[in-house]
Amino acid sequence: GNSVTQMEGPVTLSEEAFLTINCTYTATGYPSLFWYVQYPGEGLQLLLKATKADDKGSNKGFEATYRKETTSFHLEKGSVQVSDSAVYFCALITGGGNKLTFGTGTQLKVEL
Amino acid sequence: DAGVTQSPTHLIKTRGQQVTLRCSPKSGHDTVSWYQQALGQGPQFIFQYYEEEERQRGNFPDRFSGHQFPNYSSELNVNALLLGDSALYLCASSLGDRELYGYTFGSGTRLTVV
Repeated sequence: GNSVTQMEGPVTLSEEAFLTINCTYTATGYPSLFWYVQYPGEGLQLLLKATKADDKGSNKGFEATYRKETTSFHLEKGSVQVSDSAVYFCALITGGGNKLTFGTGTQLKVEL
Repeated sequence: DAGVTQSPTHLIKTRGQQVTLRCSPKSGHDTVSWYQQALGQGPQFIFQYYEEEERQRGNFPDRFSGHQFPNYSSELNVNALLLGDSALYLCASSLGDRELYGYTFGSGTRLTVV
């Protein structure tokens, strides 16, 4: 079956620090990969996505590259802000599939 | 353009009771999925509705049932509530190629079973 593994949190960074949140996956076929963000008390918002190997998804300064050879989709941002504090979920969906498979989420705390 | 709307936002139920949660998909979306998110966990797929039929189901007992209406809105029903059913219930809608466009999520219904 499909699965997603994320680095455990919480991750605590100072403002303007570099962020990496690791995500690796196991899937049948060639999945599409997503990062979702969840702010406190809210639902999930799509942050970025990539649909094939070597694609780079990007949004709001965040980036992630679909690496088929390492089955990874690590999230990066060059300079985090306090407003980036949230829980980040890596997820995948496989061809013809109807459901998203999520990782357990990584909480990010950014301090001044 | 309204996104996915869920109601109610919070509710408290007693063990053994039944609950109904409601979802209106994003305008133009025809497919509705429901997820359960326990505290500190990632969302888990419950089921998906398309053309008023359950298209796929996750690993949830029959106590969890749903419905989709002709206007694409949906309900999630949970019978014989257990303490372990306490969670955030998320509705997600989509149209067309989900691999390409993903899903749009609502803000969820926080269910507490006491």
